[in-house]
Amino acid sequence: DTGVSQNPRHKITKRGQNVTFRCDPISEHNRLYWYRQTLGQGPEFLTYFQNEAQLEKSRLLSDRFSAERPKGSFSTLEIQRTEQGDSAMYLCASSLQGDSNQPQHFGDGTRLSIL
Amino acid sequence: AQKVTQAQTEISVVEKEDVTLDCVYETRDTTYYLFWYKQPPSGELVFLIRRNSFDEQNEISGRYSWNFQKSTSSFNFTITASQVVDSAVYFCALRAYSGGGADGLTFGKGTHLIIQP
Repeated sequence: DTGVSQNPRHKITKRGQNVTFRCDPISEHNRLYWYRQTLGQGPEFLTYFQNEAQLEKSRLLSDRFSAERPKGSFSTLEIQRTEQGDSAMYLCASSLQGDSNQPQHFGDGTRLSIL
Repeated sequence: AQKVTQAQTEISVVEKEDVTLDCVYETRDTTYYLFWYKQPPSGELVFLIRRNSFDEQNEISGRYSWNFQKSTSSFNFTITASQVVDSAVYFCALRAYSGGGADGLTFGKGTHLIIQP
């Protein structure tokens, strides 16, 4: 199965440390999205790439967060100087380019816990 | 601004009962897209259905059916003859097409569906 792959599945770190997550989208998908999901809530949109270009950022994406997709394939999401409030599930999704009703296919997510 | 409201936080029914999950959306765009996703205990969001704002036809897929009504801004989801495997959190989501690109999805808070054997 060549679905969306995210690594690591779980990350536990101390407050103030930097963390980086990786997402490998479905191979033919050129759009890639990052979301954050906290307990009891729906996913919240963070940012979106079309190929290597980062086209949109949510206001939720503070300056401690940075995302890249250098070759238009996999993407990384880095959080610097982590805070307690960063604890969440970070979800990656990908979709085909086309009209806006192309469904996004999600990975299993990376669960971040800040001690 | 866009908003999706799933007023039912949790629903519990006995297996084989029918159950309807409500979804009400808000958007100023005339072109928009609605989605339902399922999130089982394993955590991965699974795409179920999409509908665009110009297509108000209801859809049936096996035990699943969807009722889209623009007049009430609702996109409700019904499971007929529910099964234990249907137990999951179900999310309704909206994407409004503003002409400038593909915005991220706006999700509701989800409805936790519990099917008891």
